[in-house]
This record gives sequence, structure tokens and C-alpha cells, in this order.
Amino acid sequence: ETGVTQSPTHLIKTRGQQVTLRCSSQSGHNTVSWYQQALGQGPQFIFQYYREEENGRGNFPPRFSGLQFPNYSSELNVNALELDDSALYLCASSPERVGAFFGQGTRLTVV
Amino acid sequence: AQRVTQPEKLLSVFKGAPVELKCNYSYSGSPELFWYVQYSRQRLQLLLRHISRESIKGFTADLNKGETSFHLKKPFAQEEDSAMYYCALSGPGNQGGKLIFGQGTELSVKP
Repeated sequence: ETGVTQSPTHLIKTRGQQVTLRCSSQSGHNTVSWYQQALGQGPQFIFQYYREEENGRGNFPPRFSGLQFPNYSSELNVNALELDDSALYLCASSPERVGAFFGQGTRLTVV
Repeated sequence: AQRVTQPEKLLSVFKGAPVELKCNYSYSGSPELFWYVQYSRQRLQLLLRHISRESIKGFTADLNKGETSFHLKKPFAQEEDSAMYYCALSGPGNQGGKLIFGQGTELSVKP
């Protein structure tokens, strides 16, 4: 049991809307990363937070933003949703240098 | 460019046969390499990482810097090994995050 939980598990939004996805990490995991996984693809790195500061970003536009809180929870916010944003969004938390522990994901459908 | 390539989308073997899941990477420097596995209806989970040089569930992987490969091997496949396997890399000092994934290989072990 990894202790990384995401909510909600499924979500349907309309194009142009905004969405917030949430993740609760394990205590002591100072690093949280978010990934987008399109159908049939490997996860793609969106961004990483380390001790509440953004610490690296993948090739995603600024309408993808995030927050990390002192209680090891974090959020992924996506503005102006597009149809191509439909995907599984994964949160992963890491203790130092031992790989990432993933949540079960949030399936976002944009219609 | 940083990239992970898994050339096979699907690998099908019979129970008891040897398995090799291929992974090649492109990275300027000394990355950390990982294998992640996703069983049906379960979350993505860490299988093994090259720095620990461990064997998990009978799987091993050797980092070959000359060939920039990190192939996953098991001498005798079991039906419960059927899953999606993802190879991933992380730059040094990335606290286990900022993973770059390959597209994944589906392993099917037939009885």
C-alpha cells in the first residue's frame, strides 16, 4: 500500500471549463510529481514540486498549474480545458531518490 | 534529447519461457533507470531500480551504458507476470521524480 490517494477517480468536464485534481501523499514524501497518461501511452511528466516549490516542468502550457501544501497534499489545476486534455492524471510522491509511488489516478474526460 | 524507447508494444510468451523486455534510452549524463509495472486494474508500481541492483519477483535488469540499454529479464515467465511494463529514467538529483517514461510493453504470458 503506497498511501498516495487521488480524488476524484473520474471526472467529466466541458471544453473551456477549469478543473482541480487532488492528491494526498505519504507523510515525509517531500516531492510530488504529476503526470498525464493518454490512452495507450506512457505517463508524461507535467511538473514536480519539492517542499512546496515548483522544481521542474515538462512540456505543458501554463494553463497547467499546481500547488503543494505543508500537509503533503497537492493539486493540479487545468484552465481552459481542451478535448486533448482527456487522459488519466497520475500523482506520484517520492522519498529521496528511491523512485516514485503512484496514486490510482484521476480519469478526466473533456467533452 | 532525453528519451526512453520500448520497441515492443506487445510481447507474448508461454509460461516457463524466458522473457526480455527491451528498453533503450537517450540521456546526456548519468541517469537513474527504473522499471515500473501495472497489473490489471492496479496502480503503477515500482518494480526495480538500477542503483539497488536487486531482483524482484525474479526480474533483473542490467544497465548497459555503452548500449544505453536497461533491458528487463526473467528466466522463467509466470502467468501472474502478465501486465504493462514501463521503463523510465530520472536525472541524477531529481529525488526520484521527473520521470521520463517509455510507451510501455504489454507482457502476455500464456499457459
